[in-house]
Amino acid sequence: GESVGLHLPTLSVQEGDNSIINCAYSNSASDYFIWYKQESGKGPQFIIDIRSNMDKRQGQRVTVLLNKTVKHLSLQIAATQPGDSAVYFCAADTSGGGADGLTFGKGTHLIIQP
Amino acid sequence: NAGVTQTPKFRILKIGQSMTLQCTQDMNHNYMYWYRQDPGMGLKLIYYSVGAGITDKGEVPNGYNVSRSTTEDFPLRLELAAPSQTSVYFCASSPHGDTQYFGPGTRLTVL
Repeated sequence: GESVGLHLPTLSVQEGDNSIINCAYSNSASDYFIWYKQESGKGPQFIIDIRSNMDKRQGQRVTVLLNKTVKHLSLQIAATQPGDSAVYFCAADTSGGGADGLTFGKGTHLIIQP
Repeated sequence: NAGVTQTPKFRILKIGQSMTLQCTQDMNHNYMYWYRQDPGMGLKLIYYSVGAGITDKGEVPNGYNVSRSTTEDFPLRLELAAPSQTSVYFCASSPHGDTQYFGPGTRLTVL
């Protein structure tokens, strides 16, 4: 099976700073990873994904880094804004297509200090 | 597109009652999923479906049932509600079985 864990349950950053949220996974066969953002009272929202044949992928203000050697991935948010305040989940898939769902970590609550 | 919609948003049940959580998607996705999320925890997969007429158990299926008679709908049935089923339930869909798109959730309390 797979277990996914986040390093910190809470991360507090100053508005305008960069945020880095870390995640570790256990199964070296995991080949697809997703970061989700969940605001209070809402469902998870897709942010960015990465496959195991890549080590970096960039989106708008977000970057995901994947280190398969140590089974670690991170989400970097540039110039953090108040609207970034949410719980961030990483998820991993080992089924090659997600047919049986993703394994989710417990989440890191990102708090933005003014 | 409305995306993934779920009803109801909130529900309180008594122990032993039954109910169906509704989930509908209008994106013509083949894959659909049901998760539960307990406070401070990640999401646990209950059931999933790879297409109409096909369903399979996830990590925590006990106490639940599903059906998938159409591509759009994937209802989750609780037959005999128990306090352990108090949770927030999320439905998701996916076009290819990778990226999943989630509904807004149903908050269920069993007393």
